[in-house]
Amino acid sequence: DAKTTQPNSMESNEEEPVHLPCNHSTISGTDYIHWYRQLPSQGPEYVIHGLTSNVNNRMASLAIAEDRKSSTLILHRATLRDAAVYYCILIGAGGTSYGKLTFGQGTILTVHP
Amino acid sequence: DVKVTQSSRYLVKRTGEKVFLECVQDMDHENMFWYRQDPGLGLRLIYFSYDVKMKEKGDIPEGYSVSREKKERFSLILESASTNQTSMYLCASSLGGGDHYGYTFGSGTRLTVV
Repeated sequence: DAKTTQPNSMESNEEEPVHLPCNHSTISGTDYIHWYRQLPSQGPEYVIHGLTSNVNNRMASLAIAEDRKSSTLILHRATLRDAAVYYCILIGAGGTSYGKLTFGQGTILTVHP
Repeated sequence: DVKVTQSSRYLVKRTGEKVFLECVQDMDHENMFWYRQDPGLGLRLIYFSYDVKMKEKGDIPEGYSVSREKKERFSLILESASTNQTSMYLCASSLGGGDHYGYTFGSGTRLTVV
């Protein structure tokens, strides 16, 4: 399975934008880039996903590099409730990685008031 | 909203007991997954299922088995619980592969084996 690399931790101030990077240099052409987050004492929660084009939803934006070897999750205005572990995950649309989420260590995001 | 319900939030069992962890989803999802989460090791896939009566081993299946007799229910079985199976267990379901969103997780079952 293709691997992702994320910083161990990042910090932000409340109401400021946050850019969470992810490197995935071995991504294959059929891999989708998914982001999940896990709040304390809860199961992971879907945030956003994309293939090639940038994506926006009510929670965040996903910026995907043109060569798809990296992506950035953007939280436009961080709140204290955004403090969580953020996981960048590649999921294949077919083949042996079909449908499986393989979690890395993720990025621990701390949001300061 | 899709809901994934795990039968117990906290569970304490004795070494050697047979343990059943139940997971039910209410949106007709095809795929269901069992993970365990441990400090420093992250989330690791134990077993998954793409259809009723179908199962596939994940990355750490040893010591576990699963059952999926109905589409909405996916059970994780510890045949003879051991202390190294003390962990947080998370169930998830999804509609399809990476081109679908909607991987929904339950709140987890914290299992302690004494």
